[in-house]
Amino acid sequence: AQTVTQSQPEMSVQEAETVTLSCTYDTSESNYYLFWYKQPPSRQMILVIRQEAYKQQNATENRFSVNFQKAAKSFSLKISDSQLGDTAMYFCAFMIPTGGSQGNLIFGKGTKLSVKP
Amino acid sequence: GAVVSQHPSWVICKSGTSVKIECRSLDFQATTMFWYRQFPKQSLMLMATSNEGSKATYEQGVEKDKFLINHASLTLSTLTVTSAHPEDSSFYICSARVEGRNEQFFGPGTRLTVL
Repeated sequence: AQTVTQSQPEMSVQEAETVTLSCTYDTSESNYYLFWYKQPPSRQMILVIRQEAYKQQNATENRFSVNFQKAAKSFSLKISDSQLGDTAMYFCAFMIPTGGSQGNLIFGKGTKLSVKP
Repeated sequence: GAVVSQHPSWVICKSGTSVKIECRSLDFQATTMFWYRQFPKQSLMLMATSNEGSKATYEQGVEKDKFLINHASLTLSTLTVTSAHPEDSSFYICSARVEGRNEQFFGPGTRLTVL
């Protein structure tokens, strides 16, 4: 069974600083996808960034980037130049695109990030 | 593109009544939709996977007779909480998967409060 672990229940960062959120996962699959979702106080789930396991290059989206270490099964999210609007719950998620659980997302427990002015 | 709506956004009902929540994909066809439940300060828990035209697949521990799911069209899935009780109070979120894209798009959620 696949598991996703986020070991930091809460994090805080000063505005304009950089913060890294940790995520590890466990799977025996070779083909999978990893995601970071943001859930602000509105509770709308927003996709921040995604990574295909077969791609060695780390994904980046503006101020958001990941450090994907496949051998270590680690998928951390780096937020640069933190903004007050980044304050939210961040969920790491795992997906196997094929098979019986096709398309199912497995979520970590989340990290509550607070950006302080 | 890939917008998912949910209705209602919040609902309060009396214990013993049934509540229906709708999930619609507005600008795409979704052969697969997912229903999640989220308790305060917790993660999303998958309840069931809904496939258009077939019976939903429920996760272990989720009562299929209590949480009725219907996916009658490629743009609509419904979750009916039957004989709701206070312990069913939660935030219910749906998502839809675009065929050929390994990604889910989430609705804004429905807050259910059972008195």
